[in-house]
Amino acid sequence: EVQLVESGGGLVQPGRSLKLSCAASGFTFSNYGMHWIRQAPTKGLEWVASISPSGGSTYYRDSVKGRFTISRDNAKSTLYLQMDSLRSEDTATYYCATGSGYFDYWGQGVMVTVSS
Amino acid sequence: DIRMTQSPASLSASLGETVNIECLASEDIYSDLAWYQQKPGKSPQLLIYNANSLQNGVPSRFSGSGSGTQYSLKINSLQSEDVATYFCQQYNNYPNTFGAGTKLELK
Repeated sequence: EVQLVESGGGLVQPGRSLKLSCAASGFTFSNYGMHWIRQAPTKGLEWVASISPSGGSTYYRDSVKGRFTISRDNAKSTLYLQMDSLRSEDTATYYCATGSGYFDYWGQGVMVTVSS
Repeated sequence: DIRMTQSPASLSASLGETVNIECLASEDIYSDLAWYQQKPGKSPQLLIYNANSLQNGVPSRFSGSGSGTQYSLKINSLQSEDVATYFCQQYNNYPNTFGAGTKLELK
């Protein structure tokens, strides 16, 4: 059974950093592209970043480019999102997901609140 | 960025009814279109990919169709467990973009 478990969320002040993790199991992690998608409270879904199976290619939405870094450790079957210079508009539930284009498995999500 | 216009924003239907949700892309996305169901407090679940392919384990009352810029999700014989918010997503171009969602309620 595919499982994705996010961790690392919490309350953080504007301008500070936070690192999210996503522990994967139930599939061959190193064979799949991975993604972060977020959802602000009572809002819709917003793709944040993607990484290729090897980690050699990464993609970001414009609003997080230069502030967020997606990475992966295939030996640990873990996906990461380093979030620096956080802003209030980054407040959301962050989901990790697998997939090639579309997102076929999602984690349960982790809440990130950026507030002073 | 490709804009995904989803309609209606909300929908009220009766048990057993057939429901249609539409998604219009701002440019041709060549059937790179997925549909998701999200129940309150839960993460989204993939229903349909490649515009019309049913994800494993999804009931056959769900179906997708469309091409070019126009796509739709159809739910036949609405069940109580189908109460949820539905989102479309294009993955033809980065950034992947989602529709704003359709909230489906029971009448």
